[in-house]
Amino acid sequence: AQKITQTQPGMFVQEKEAVTLDCTYDTSDPSYGLFWYKQPSSGEMIFLIYQGSYDQQNATEGRYSLNFQKARKSANLVISASQLGDSAMYFCAMRDANSNYQLIWGAGTKLIIKP
Amino acid sequence: ETGVTQTPRHLVMGMTNKKSLKCEQHLGHNAMYWYKQSAKKPLELMFVYSLEERVENNSVPSRFSPECPNSSHLFLHLHTLQPEDSALYLCASSQDQMGVSYTFGSGTRLTVV
Repeated sequence: AQKITQTQPGMFVQEKEAVTLDCTYDTSDPSYGLFWYKQPSSGEMIFLIYQGSYDQQNATEGRYSLNFQKARKSANLVISASQLGDSAMYFCAMRDANSNYQLIWGAGTKLIIKP
Repeated sequence: ETGVTQTPRHLVMGMTNKKSLKCEQHLGHNAMYWYKQSAKKPLELMFVYSLEERVENNSVPSRFSPECPNSSHLFLHLHTLQPEDSALYLCASSQDQMGVSYTFGSGTRLTVV
């Protein structure tokens, strides 16, 4: 069965340092998509980055990059030069192969950036 | 502003009340979703609408009743809820059923007393 695992319930990082948020996934389908979302205390889920299973290169969006290691089934989010505004919950999600609409979500990682 | 607007932001209701949550998007998206986010649990997909037709219902209790009158509006009608239904209810939309990017609203924080 498809599953997303985020092993870090919480992280403290010094401002301006890079941070890596872990995500591993489990699926037997060769075609899938991986997502990262940020949820600040205000509640809305903000889309950060997407990686398709057939994409040859790691996805990047500004300070966000996805370290996609297909053989290890990991899709870690890397945030470079962290800022105080990066403090939030971060969720990794995978689109279910059996349903075009179902996103399978991890439990999330709470990231706190220290000044 | 996210592009997806949810009202109300907060709602407290008794177990015998009837209330409705509203979601509105003017992004031109054709698919809309209701999610439930409970503390310390992954997000749970409740309902999916594509072109105003319900395409998925993930075994949600009948005390939750969705309505999609047009492609820009989505409602979640609530009646005789239980305390365990207290959660953050998030609405989302995407361009189509294969959307790469989902736009979420800020959610309605529901407390059932």
